Amino acid sequence: AQSVTQLGSHVSVSEGALVLLRCNYSSSVPPYLFWYVQYPNQGLQLLLKYTSAATLVKGINGFEAEFKKSETSFHLTKPSAHMSDAAEYFCAVSSNSGGSNYKLTFGKGTLLTVNP
Amino acid sequence: NAGVTQTPKFQVLKTGQSMTLQCAQDMNHNSMYWYRQDPGMGLRLIYYSASEGTTDKGEVPNGYNVSRLNKREFSLRLESAAPSQTSVYFCASRERGGGGELFFGEGSRLTVL
Repeated sequence: AQSVTQLGSHVSVSEGALVLLRCNYSSSVPPYLFWYVQYPNQGLQLLLKYTSAATLVKGINGFEAEFKKSETSFHLTKPSAHMSDAAEYFCAVSSNSGGSNYKLTFGKGTLLTVNP
Repeated sequence: NAGVTQTPKFQVLKTGQSMTLQCAQDMNHNSMYWYRQDPGMGLRLIYYSASEGTTDKGEVPNGYNVSRLNKREFSLRLESAAPSQTSVYFCASRERGGGGELFFGEGSRLTVL
């Protein structure tokens, strides 16, 4: 079974401050990990993904995430928040083998607010 | 460049009515998915289709049925709608399982009175 836990349903930062959104996963096999972003009244779009290559993954809009197997974590960071980063962010996991590798399981989401 | 198209975008139903949400993708993807999104619950998988001709249950399949009509289309049917099915429904597709990127439609907002 696979699962994702996002710590903090709401994170608020000031413009220009560091953004850190936390994600921990559970998977019985090596995982694929994803971060998606959802702007109001839209579908989700991919920010970045980890597929067992480099453990530090760079995505769009200046975001990056680091896969840490020992901590079962895949936290999302951005050095300097911009007002346009305000959105809901979802971490997701997909397994790397077996019949369940088509399931993509999402966390409950973290709403990021950016204050001027 | 349509991507994943869902219809309808909005629907209001009375308890007990039935309806079908339609989804089509033009990216030649093998796998298709239906999720529901509820406040504080994230996205929960209802059903998925790994490839044409196959469908499997996700986390919350009760009250729903699906049909993978062909490679492009994957429909979700509510036979007897209940207020608990009030939600935003997203269809998504990807070329393959594992590390393949999931592409989402814009969502269908369903209200059951």
